[in-house]
Amino acid sequence: EVQLVESGGSLVQPGGSLKLSCVASGYTFSNYWMDWVRQTPGKSLEWIGEINTDGSKTNYAPSIKDRFTISRDNAKSTLYLQMSNVKSDDTAIYYCTRTLGYWGQGVMVTVSS
Amino acid sequence: DVVMTQTPVSLSLAIGQPASISCKSSQSLLGTSGKTFLNWILQRPGQSPKRLIYQVSKLYSEVPDRFSGSGSETEFTLKISRVEAEDLGVYYCWQGTHFPYTFGAGTKLELK
Repeated sequence: EVQLVESGGSLVQPGGSLKLSCVASGYTFSNYWMDWVRQTPGKSLEWIGEINTDGSKTNYAPSIKDRFTISRDNAKSTLYLQMSNVKSDDTAIYYCTRTLGYWGQGVMVTVSS
Repeated sequence: DVVMTQTPVSLSLAIGQPASISCKSSQSLLGTSGKTFLNWILQRPGQSPKRLIYQVSKLYSEVPDRFSGSGSETEFTLKISRVEAEDLGVYYCWQGTHFPYTFGAGTKLELK
C-alpha cells in the first residue's frame, strides 16, 4: 500500500523559513516523480511544483518560484519542501503527492506574527 | 495559467440518482504528445484527495465503474451513473498539460 506521511508543519513568522518532509513507503520511491500541492483555508488547491526521479530536474509554479525548493533523498525515500521568505498567503495545508495520484494526509503551515 | 471552470458549484442528489459535473479549460488540454492530461480527484470530508480518473476517461483500478469521464480539448464531464453514499465530497478536475498545473474550484456533492 502506497503511503505518504508529511511532517514539519508549524506556525512560522512572515519572512521566516520552514522545511517540510514526506516519507514514502509501499513502492519504489526512486521510480516516480513527486509533487507538492497546497490547499488554502478557502479550500482551493494550488500546485507548487514537481521533481523528477533522481532529483536533477524541478518545475515550479511561478507564484512560488525562488522562494520554495523541492528536493529528494531516494536513499531515505523522502521528499522535501524548503520554504523561505514565507508570507501570510502561504498559510495552507501542504500535501505531498506521487504525481497527484496518491496524496499524503497533509500538514498545516500557518504564517502569522 | 490555464483556468479550470467547474459547474455546478454544488449538487444535492439522492442515492441512486445520476450525477454530472462539467469542467471547462481556458485553452486546449491536448498536449504535443497527443494525450490530454485532464484528471479528476475526489476529496471526501476530512480526508485528503484521492485519484479517480486520468487522461479524460481512464479509471484507476480501484475506482468503481459507475464513474466515467469524457470530453476533449476544452470541455470535459465526469459522470456517476448511480450515486452512492461513499461518493459524497468535493470533486476537482485538474490539468497536467500546461505548466503550472491548475485545478478547478471544486463541485460539492451532497446527499439528499
